[in-house]
Amino acid sequence: NAGVMQNPRHLVRRRGQEARLRCSPMKGHSHVYWYRQLPEEGLKFMVYLQKENIIDESGMPKERFSAEFPKEGPSILRIQQVVRGDSAAYFCASSPFRREDYEQYFGPGTRLTVT
Amino acid sequence: GNSVTQMEGPVTLSEEAFLTINCTYTATGYPSLFWYVQYPGEGLQLLLKATKADDKGSNKGFEATYRKETTSFHLEKGSVQVSDSAVYFCALIDSGGGADGLTFGKGTHLIIQP
Repeated sequence: NAGVMQNPRHLVRRRGQEARLRCSPMKGHSHVYWYRQLPEEGLKFMVYLQKENIIDESGMPKERFSAEFPKEGPSILRIQQVVRGDSAAYFCASSPFRREDYEQYFGPGTRLTVT
Repeated sequence: GNSVTQMEGPVTLSEEAFLTINCTYTATGYPSLFWYVQYPGEGLQLLLKATKADDKGSNKGFEATYRKETTSFHLEKGSVQVSDSAVYFCALIDSGGGADGLTFGKGTHLIIQP
């Protein structure tokens, strides 16, 4: 059973470009979470999605960031008009249940560098 | 809101030494508590968890006990190995706090020297 997959692993964008990060959850998992790890900071929750629904986006920046989890295909985190402050590691996690006591399984992350 | 505080690193120990990494939390409701480990270049892996007061999570020689009275979840291991070198994150999830995601501490970088 393959784990959570993220691609690309490394992404370089110039200021003003768009970044698209993809996450394929573990087989059988329909709950996806996105986190951001900024330099010198811990991981911060961004958004929680189920298939075709955004359930909790309390951690998402209000502008330029969006996320989706379509019925078919991977979850996508999209950052428009990237700025240097968006440089970070972005991690996706998945879970089969929406239960607070259940493990979230993490992918290897996408390291975004904005030049 | 919810928060997790853990000791800053790096923590450097010799092989076979005793390890403690402190973790305290604040939460609105009654959280579940986790320790995750991150090896270089990889994602986070769950190390152990505890879901109610006085529960002890354990795995690979690591242990942590959910202490509600002191709002703590300290990580311990009796004899560390070089292969334990990694970054350790304490985390909680609290459905009573509103958000569905994990709240993490900043991480403790552990270095074990042979």
